[in-house]
Amino acid sequence: GNSVTQMEGPVTLSEEAFLTINCTYTATGYPSLFWYVQYPGEGLQLLLKATKADDKGSNKGFEATYRKETTSFHLEKGSVQVSDSAVYFCALKGSGAGSYQLTFGKGTKLSVIP
Amino acid sequence: DSGVTQTPKHLITATGQRVTLRCSPRSGDLSVYWYQQSLDQGLQFLIQYYNGEERAKGNILERFSAQQFPDLHSELNLSSLELGDSALYFCASSATVGWQPSGANVLTFGAGSRLTVL
Repeated sequence: GNSVTQMEGPVTLSEEAFLTINCTYTATGYPSLFWYVQYPGEGLQLLLKATKADDKGSNKGFEATYRKETTSFHLEKGSVQVSDSAVYFCALKGSGAGSYQLTFGKGTKLSVIP
Repeated sequence: DSGVTQTPKHLITATGQRVTLRCSPRSGDLSVYWYQQSLDQGLQFLIQYYNGEERAKGNILERFSAQQFPDLHSELNLSSLELGDSALYFCASSATVGWQPSGANVLTFGAGSRLTVL
């Protein structure tokens, strides 16, 4: 079945530091890949997505590139802000019949300190 | 505001009881998904409905059931509650169902219902 593995947190960074959150996946076919973010006390919000190999998703300074050869979709941001403190979830949606739902990683909590 | 409305936001109840969580999907979305978020299990897919019909089942216990009504809102019923059922329950909606080559079938999540079983 499909699965997503992302780096364990928590991750604590100083403001303006570089962020990488690793995400690898296992899936058959050609999944779509997503990063969702959950701010404290809120639901999940879509941050970015990529639907085919070598696609780069980007939003709010965050980027992730769909690497089929390494089955990875690492999240990066060049300069984090305190307001980026949240839990980040990597997810995939499989292709083909039965691929109705998202499969999530366990989440990585990011804390950015001034 | 994501457009997906969940009620109640918080619910405290006792073991053995039954509760109902409600979800109104985003306007125009026909598909509703339920997820359970707990500290140890992460986000687990429970069940999905599309236009009133069940389409996919995940790790949903037999004590749990759901339905989607003609107006497209959905309810998740949790019965014979146990301490381990304490979790955040999220509803998400999407416009369509199934495989979309463009990956356009993005899920939009509600703010969740936090259930505490004492």
